[in-house]
Amino acid sequence: DIQLTQSPSFLSASVGDRVTITCRASQGIRNYLAWYQQKPGKAPKLLIYAASTLQSGVPSRFSGSGSGAEFTLTISSLQPEDFATYYCQQLNSYPPFTFGPGTKVHIK
Amino acid sequence: QVQLVQSGVEVKKPGASVKVSCKASGYSFTSYGISWVRQAPGQGLEWMGWISGYNGNTNYAQRLQGRVTMTTDTSTSTAYMELRSLRSDDTAVYYCARDLSKEYFYGMDVWGQGTTVIVSS
Repeated sequence: DIQLTQSPSFLSASVGDRVTITCRASQGIRNYLAWYQQKPGKAPKLLIYAASTLQSGVPSRFSGSGSGAEFTLTISSLQPEDFATYYCQQLNSYPPFTFGPGTKVHIK
Repeated sequence: QVQLVQSGVEVKKPGASVKVSCKASGYSFTSYGISWVRQAPGQGLEWMGWISGYNGNTNYAQRLQGRVTMTTDTSTSTAYMELRSLRSDDTAVYYCARDLSKEYFYGMDVWGQGTTVIVSS
């Protein structure tokens, strides 16, 4: 199975901050990586697919980059509604389509 | 609008089975696959498996092989996930989610509201 790690696990930030989350795969996954945002009690929401393509309707302050085994999700200017947990998911090979352990972004 | 609506809360005893439904609307059910993802209390997301809406082909997470079965009913645009021999660590919220793309695995863009399954004696 392909393993994903995310760093950091927890992140304290202020409104307006630039935030970067890293996702690393245990082997190359080309660009088959998606990013999701999840708020408490809600289903995950797709933000980015194919490592860097913004999903329709997602604000442009979210961006993704990377290829191979290292990827980043960047929020250019954190907004109050962005405080949530973020997960990466690899879709290069299955089973399983592994998720990362998550990064919780909370208010400083 | 495109949506997935899941069945309600289930409370089961250890060793029992549960079958969760996921009814799709607003799109061509047979054109997209459906994944099932679960989340134990306070934990992360776990991909359980995938089923083709077109031909019912499945692929399951190895750790659930033998206990999980995913099916579809194209006449009602409904996907089902059955989990057998339930244990306490199967207590979780179970989500169904639609593939973003008809052709490639790019992620899941439409999610059900989740079904809480509680396994307790």
